[in-house]
Amino acid sequence: DIQMTQSPTSLSASVGDRVTIACRANQTISTFLNWYQQKSGKAPRLLISEVSTLQGGVPSRFSGRASGSDFSLIITGLQLDDFATYFCQQSYGPPWTFGQGTRVEIK
Amino acid sequence: QVQLVQSGAEVKKPGASVKVSCKASGYAFTGYYFHWVRQAPGQGLEWMGWIDPNLGGTSIAQKFQGRVTLTRATSINTVYMELSGLRSDDSAVYFCARDSESVVVTALGHWGQGTLITVTS
Repeated sequence: DIQMTQSPTSLSASVGDRVTIACRANQTISTFLNWYQQKSGKAPRLLISEVSTLQGGVPSRFSGRASGSDFSLIITGLQLDDFATYFCQQSYGPPWTFGQGTRVEIK
Repeated sequence: QVQLVQSGAEVKKPGASVKVSCKASGYAFTGYYFHWVRQAPGQGLEWMGWIDPNLGGTSIAQKFQGRVTLTRATSINTVYMELSGLRSDDSAVYFCARDSESVVVTALGHWGQGTLITVTS
């Protein structure tokens, strides 16, 4: 199975900060990398698909980028609504696998 | 708008089976794959498999092969996930999710509300 490693596992940030969450795959996954946001007690929400395609209704302060097997989710200008847990996920091949999550907390 | 509505929470004994339903509305049911993902309390997300609602083909994660069955009922726009041989570590919230792209598997674009399955003696 493809292992996805996210870092950090948690971070504290303030409103307005620029936040970067990293995700690394232990083998090539091409551009088959998605990002989800999950709030407590809710289902995850797809933010970005295939590295950098922003989903409809997702604010433009969210962006994604890749460098080889290293991927990043960037939030430019953190808002109160963004405090949540974020997961990366590869859809390169079954089984699909997720990173362990990054919890973004209020500083 | 796309809606996925799952069946309600269940409590099961070890060794039993559970079948969770996921009813879709707001789009052409057979056009998008469905996935099942589970999340144990306080834990991360675990992908279980997908089903093509058009032809019924499935892909099940090896970890769950032999215990998970994915089916669909096209007449009522519903997919099902059955998990057998339940153990305490199967206690989790089970989500159905519809793929974001038609006909292919890419990402989990729409999610059900989740179904809590508790396995306890």
